[in-house]
Amino acid sequence: DTEVTQTPKHLVMGMTNKKSLKCEQHMGHRAMYWYKQKAKKPPELMFVYSYEKLSINESVPSRFSPECPNSSLLNLHLHALQPEDSALYLCASSQEGGLGTQYFGPGTRLLVL
Amino acid sequence: KQEVTQIPAALSVPEGENLVLNCSFTDSAIYNLQWFRQDPGKGLTSLLLIQSSQREQTSGRLNASLDKSSGRSTLYIAASQPGDSATYLCAVRPGGSQGNLIFGKGTKLSVKP
Repeated sequence: DTEVTQTPKHLVMGMTNKKSLKCEQHMGHRAMYWYKQKAKKPPELMFVYSYEKLSINESVPSRFSPECPNSSLLNLHLHALQPEDSALYLCASSQEGGLGTQYFGPGTRLLVL
Repeated sequence: KQEVTQIPAALSVPEGENLVLNCSFTDSAIYNLQWFRQDPGKGLTSLLLIQSSQREQTSGRLNASLDKSSGRSTLYIAASQPGDSATYLCAVRPGGSQGNLIFGKGTKLSVKP
């Protein structure tokens, strides 16, 4: 099974809301990633977790808060977002160190009003 | 800083043609290179992974080559089909990274019946 699942598929939120995106994999991967993709642009890295510890934060604003509660789950908590944060948020996982294939989920389409 | 470029940005071909997509990267110090396919509004599907020590990988009608010293990779698609229509993304994992990928902007492929 090479599946990465993400929920919800679509999310509409106001700028004062708090919401969370969820990602799950059962491939035994110990590296998990959050990417942000704007329309007609390539994905851009936000965070990398390695063995449930945050190893990379690409200068992402604090209104995005990642969490890795266990080796299979990755969350992205959203608070006080701006309309420009509207994008497709992609989760991915790979073997530790990223030497193997990186598998992506279907993404969460986020619209901030 | 690693930069990844994909040429052409868009390509339209009749069904049955063989075609080549190009990817170039500025820093040859990479661990691997991965080709993805992305359908509109969807997540990324991994097509092929080439480790830095490898020259090519094949999967069905797809063949990817890597010339690390010159900073180039090609994705060859044989006997193209309308179902191949999608955006194809090339991504490199820089040496010394935590597994994060650097993406090109993609080539949008349209295969006409």
